[in-house]
Amino acid sequence: EVQLVESGGGLVKPGGSLTLSCTASEFSFSRYSMNWVRHSPGKGLEWVSSISSTSTYIYYADSMKGRFTISRDNAKKTLYLQMTSLRVDDTAVYYCARDLSSDVDYYATDVWGQGTTVTVSS
Amino acid sequence: QSALTQPASVSGSPGRSITISCTGTSSDVGRYNYVSWYQQHPGKAPKLIIYEVNNRPSGVSYRFSGSKSGNTASLTISGLQAEDEADYYCTSYTSISTRVFGGGTKVTVL
Repeated sequence: EVQLVESGGGLVKPGGSLTLSCTASEFSFSRYSMNWVRHSPGKGLEWVSSISSTSTYIYYADSMKGRFTISRDNAKKTLYLQMTSLRVDDTAVYYCARDLSSDVDYYATDVWGQGTTVTVSS
Repeated sequence: QSALTQPASVSGSPGRSITISCTGTSSDVGRYNYVSWYQQHPGKAPKLIIYEVNNRPSGVSYRFSGSKSGNTASLTISGLQAEDEADYYCTSYTSISTRVFGGGTKVTVL
């Protein structure tokens, strides 16, 4: 079964750091662009960052730029999100998600993990 | 990167049709046909139901359809069913190579 499994969430103090991981299985991870999307309590979905299959192209939402770093290890089939200078409003469920196609850019995501919860609180 | 604008809530009776709007700008929805829609039930991961404005992924019901006119995209759910009660989000690719979501619409089946 095609699957994404996130890990690394937890409780962190404001100003702290955390690294999330997302491990892929049953598909050619190295061929797909990958994304992080978060869902804050009582709020909607928010796109965080995208990374192309070979890490050539990386993009961030404005509010994460300079604080978050997306990366991937294709040999380990793992996507990462390093988060620094965390703020209370970064509290959310963080999902990793696979782009729909490895061949065509649709900028849509069809495979999602179950999410990992990040809580930023003193 | 302002969020796309969606109505907070939409409701309809079983069997009827509802339409959810998603308004962006000439830098996102109006510029590209890379509009997609997601359904999210409470506590679950989002599910892709429409991509590239009006394409359904394999396995998604024909009752879901999408369209776009200018800076506004729309999702129509026909033959509304109880299982359609969920939150719905639109998203678009943008001119600065980012992606932006709408604020979400809560669909209630009366």
